Amino acid sequence: DVKVTQSSRYLVKRTGEKVFLECVQDMDHENMFWYRQDPGLGLRLIYFSYDVKMKEKGDIPEGYSVSREKKERFSLILESASTNQTSMYLCASSEATTNEKLFFGSGTQLSVL
Amino acid sequence: GENVEQHPSTLSVQEGDSAVIKCTYSDSASNYFPWYKQELGKGPQLIIDIRSNVGEKKDQRIAVTLNKTAKHFSLHITETQPEDSAVYFCAASRAYAGKSTFGDGTTLTVKP
Repeated sequence: DVKVTQSSRYLVKRTGEKVFLECVQDMDHENMFWYRQDPGLGLRLIYFSYDVKMKEKGDIPEGYSVSREKKERFSLILESASTNQTSMYLCASSEATTNEKLFFGSGTQLSVL
Repeated sequence: GENVEQHPSTLSVQEGDSAVIKCTYSDSASNYFPWYKQELGKGPQLIIDIRSNVGEKKDQRIAVTLNKTAKHFSLHITETQPEDSAVYFCAASRAYAGKSTFGDGTTLTVKP
């Protein structure tokens, strides 16, 4: 069964901490995405990557960075966590050829206190 | 950029009734329109999609219709069951060319 795995289901961090959210996919997909999900706001794109070591800003990149050192792994980094970054974070991947269907992980609920 | 509006934000129906969720998009170049279902504690999962060269697509109890001229598309669920209760998201994108833009989601509740 194909999978997108996010390393943590729940995470609690302190304001100012550096936070790493990890995502691994086993489908050999070129494209990987990080979304943020907040009630009533849908899914908002933070960053995406079409290839190893490549990254592009999405709609809300401020306060975040990403790393893609290997094809299967895409990390989201909060350099200095703030309370307004408390949210559900969803990782997704898709094939490069069509860039259509997204496969999502189960999400990481991050609380910044 | 693309903007997707989704209505209603919440929908409650009796088991066996039909449910309809509507979305509008702004970018006439968008040509791929998926629908995702998110159950509690899980990530969204694709349930049906439609491309701009097709007006309607059906898969058992779910169907999607697309009106390119009006720039809107809809999800229809017939004979709803309690397990259809979930959050549904529509999205729009240019296939082969980039990111998806999502609607704000519809929370569907099917009452037994």
